[in-house]
Amino acid sequence: GAGVSQTPSNKVTEKGKYVELRCDPISGHTALYWYRQSLGQGPEFLIYFQGTGAADDSGLPNDRFFAVRPEGSVSTLKIQRTERGDSAVYLCASGPAGVGEQFFGPGTRLTVL
Amino acid sequence: DQQVKQNSPSLSVQEGRISILNCDYTNSMFDYFLWYKKYPAEGPTFLISISSIKDKNEDGRFTVFLNKSAKHLSLHIVPSQPGDSAVYFCAAGNTGTASKLTFGTGTRLQVTL
Repeated sequence: GAGVSQTPSNKVTEKGKYVELRCDPISGHTALYWYRQSLGQGPEFLIYFQGTGAADDSGLPNDRFFAVRPEGSVSTLKIQRTERGDSAVYLCASGPAGVGEQFFGPGTRLTVL
Repeated sequence: DQQVKQNSPSLSVQEGRISILNCDYTNSMFDYFLWYKKYPAEGPTFLISISSIKDKNEDGRFTVFLNKSAKHLSLHIVPSQPGDSAVYFCAAGNTGTASKLTFGTGTRLQVTL
C-alpha cells in the first residue's frame, strides 16, 4: 500500500516569504506528526495530531509555525516570514494510534535564501 | 539538553561481523524505545522497538537490548550485510504522552566487503 507522501520534495524560498508543506498520511492512520531535521541532527518533534486536533504542539519553535489537519487526513505545515534558520528537512510521520511505531515520509527539504 | 544520545557518529564493520550501535538516555519517563534506519533522501524506516518491561527484543538479524538501570540500549546486527549501511537513529517515547519521539543524533554504519 501507499506510504506517507510529502510535497514538495524540495522548496527554495527567500527570507521573509510564506511556505506551505503538505503531508498525506497512510490511509486510516489517526495519528500524524511533524518533525524537523537539521544537518547532523536527529529529527526534532514539532507537532502531533490525533484526528483533526493538535494534541501536542509543544515542539513548534515560535508563532511563525502553524499546522492544520482539517479533515483528519492531509496535514499542512505553514511557516510565515521564513528565516534562514528554518532551512531543514521537514518530516511527516503517521501511525495507527498515538503510541508505537511511526511511519515516516521522505521529507521536504526547505532552503531559505 | 540532549535526552537521547548516540555518542558514536560513525561505525565501520566488516561484512559478516556483528555491528553494535549504542544509545544512552537521561529521561527516566521514557518507557519505549525504537531504532530507525535512514538512507539518504529517504525518511527514517522503523527497524525494531522495545518496551521498558523487557530487556531484549529480537527480529531476525536485529536484536535490541535495554538496560534500564544504566539508561542504555544497544542494537546488534548479526551478521552485518552491505545493505545495512545507513544512518541509524535511536528514539524514545512515553506511552503516557502518546506523542512525540525524541531522537538521538544518529550513527552512520558502513559495512565493508
